[in-house]
Amino acid sequence: DTAVSQTPKYLVTQMGNDKSIKCEQNLGHDTMYWYKQDSKKFLKIMFSYNNKELIINETVPNRFSPKSPDKAHLNLHINSLELGDSAVYFCASSRSRTSQETQYFGPGTRLLVL
Amino acid sequence: SQQGEEDPQALSIQEGENATMNCSYKTSINNLQWYRQNSGRGLVHLILIRSNEREKHSGRLRVTLDTSKKSSSLLITASRAADTASYFCASGSTDSWGKLQFGAGTQVVVTP
Repeated sequence: DTAVSQTPKYLVTQMGNDKSIKCEQNLGHDTMYWYKQDSKKFLKIMFSYNNKELIINETVPNRFSPKSPDKAHLNLHINSLELGDSAVYFCASSRSRTSQETQYFGPGTRLLVL
Repeated sequence: SQQGEEDPQALSIQEGENATMNCSYKTSINNLQWYRQNSGRGLVHLILIRSNEREKHSGRLRVTLDTSKKSSSLLITASRAADTASYFCASGSTDSWGKLQFGAGTQVVVTP
């Protein structure tokens, strides 16, 4: 009965590889997000989708491409991984797109690029 | 750029003591939220305070908001070892949809 789930939990890969992280929410929410948390724990939003439509696209290298096949899923594909991509990536969801909604976070995907 | 900044960065207290942490933000907001993150886990929502509210309580949590100073505080009363976590404030601005700006958090350690 996990609300927001992410796979994989850990991802160790070599520079230059392409990898994907998957996220699913079973809360019936309309809006989903991807955040990056760096080694100093600073959490920064990357993307947000509302009903499969991209609504927030922060200044993120175009090596990062989100995809939302339906409103319950938001995946993140990363091309040509770099050392600086090492971080924890969190998926989150909220009932609607307004900032007054509570966001529900997944457990995170720890990405280490060697 | 980082929107919220928490102060202090780290806090170490004993069980039963109160823990107070502060958050400052830069732009106009319509709400401010506090989240907790246990080590190796995702963030969990604690409390939301709207821009027209000054104080809000939830169990052992008390949040204040001063929009004139662009600051908020979170007080945890009678802390427990289980309160050991990082605490983040997140500001919801008036001109964005669903975008919360998080600070770098306050790491709280509560020792028995």
